[in-house]
Amino acid sequence: DAGVIQSPRHEVTEMGQEVTLRCKPISGHNSLFWYRQTMMRGLELLIYFNNNVPIDDSGMPEDRFSAKMPNASFSTLKIQPSEPRDSAVYFCASSFNPRPSGYNEQFFGPGTRLTVL
Amino acid sequence: AQTVTQSQPEMSVQEAETVTLSCTYDTSESNYYLFWYKQPPSRQMILVIRQEAYKQQNATENRFSVNFQKAAKSFSLKISDSQLGDTAMYFCAFMKLGGGADGLTFGKGTHLIIQP
Repeated sequence: DAGVIQSPRHEVTEMGQEVTLRCKPISGHNSLFWYRQTMMRGLELLIYFNNNVPIDDSGMPEDRFSAKMPNASFSTLKIQPSEPRDSAVYFCASSFNPRPSGYNEQFFGPGTRLTVL
Repeated sequence: AQTVTQSQPEMSVQEAETVTLSCTYDTSESNYYLFWYKQPPSRQMILVIRQEAYKQQNATENRFSVNFQKAAKSFSLKISDSQLGDTAMYFCAFMKLGGGADGLTFGKGTHLIIQP
């Protein structure tokens, strides 16, 4: 199994630029999560999809952030325009949930380290 | 909303010793899971152990075990016979069940250092 794939692994950009982070979940998984990790705030859930539908985006910090899941094998997290305070490690995770409120282990990708200068 | 608190930012022990990491949480939910995740320097998130809130028996996974005190909302991780490879950040996490988002709520983490 390839696991959850994230790209790029590292991204350095300048303030004001658009940034797109990509995630390919494990094949067969139907839930996908985006998390952000910073020293100040730790690990935070940004948004969660179930069967490609956004379920809860209350963790998305502001309108500059948007996430999409056009199909079961791909998701993007976009920041436009980016700011230095967006510098963080962004994780994507996926799981298979046979029912909406069931539990199955979330498998994390390797993360994307974003630096906004 | 739920919160997870880890009060030990950093701990250091000698190899082969036993170490306990603390975690407390606050929730009004009755059905939930608790987890400990390990994050080594590679930054990969690795599930160490999980506990279902409805189970009274504490979960164990080889050298890792938990002390789950539901009434006190406490969930500590014990690592026995610690090894150098256990050096990592450890995160306590909460997930509610029964509708709504199934995302994880994490504590701020404990940096565990195993000294040779």
